[in-house]
Amino acid sequence: GGIITQTPKFLIGQEGQKLTLKCQQNFNHDTMYWYRQDSGKGLRLIYYSITENDLQKGDLSEGYDASREKKSSFSLTVTSAQKNEMAVFLCASKAGGDSDYTFGSGTRLLVI
Amino acid sequence: AQSVTQPDARVTVSEGASLQLRCKYSYFGTPYLFWYVQYPRQGLQLLLKYYPGDPVVQGVNGFEAEFSKSNSSFHLRKASVHWSDWAVYFCAVSIGDNNRIFFGDGTQLVVKP
Repeated sequence: GGIITQTPKFLIGQEGQKLTLKCQQNFNHDTMYWYRQDSGKGLRLIYYSITENDLQKGDLSEGYDASREKKSSFSLTVTSAQKNEMAVFLCASKAGGDSDYTFGSGTRLLVI
Repeated sequence: AQSVTQPDARVTVSEGASLQLRCKYSYFGTPYLFWYVQYPRQGLQLLLKYYPGDPVVQGVNGFEAEFSKSNSSFHLRKASVHWSDWAVYFCAVSIGDNNRIFFGDGTQLVVKP
């Protein structure tokens, strides 16, 4: 079986700081995703990538950059962390067609 | 535009009782529908999925859901809830080529002893 690994698990940043979150999968999945989850809310799509070096904006891309330099990894950068921001960032991947999504366990971000 | 509504932010049931979690979707066309569960400090795990076909789909751990085109609904059910079912449940819809999935806000299930 495969696994999706998100690093770090916890991230504390300062206001205005640039922060990078990483996601690795060994399923050989084509498509990878970054979602933001706020307390009591569903997941909102930030960026996704359907293949290496591809990037597609989601509904919440402002304030973020993403990078898919290898098929197995997908990075997300918070370009300028906002004070008191607290959220969980979830990475997911899937193969093509009707295949299932697989989620990582998340990176918990706190900005002080 | 497509959307998913879970009208109940929190549902409390007694252990052993039956459960229904509600989900309404909005989409012009035939959607793919999903229920995911999230345990504390974990990612989402797929409970079950609906692709066009039999409207009642069976999932893991005794969960099932029924698709209703006329009601635009995909409610989740379980005949007898166990304490280990205490979690947040998300309904989701995928459209087109299944490359994007849209989530509801989730329903927190609380199980009373």
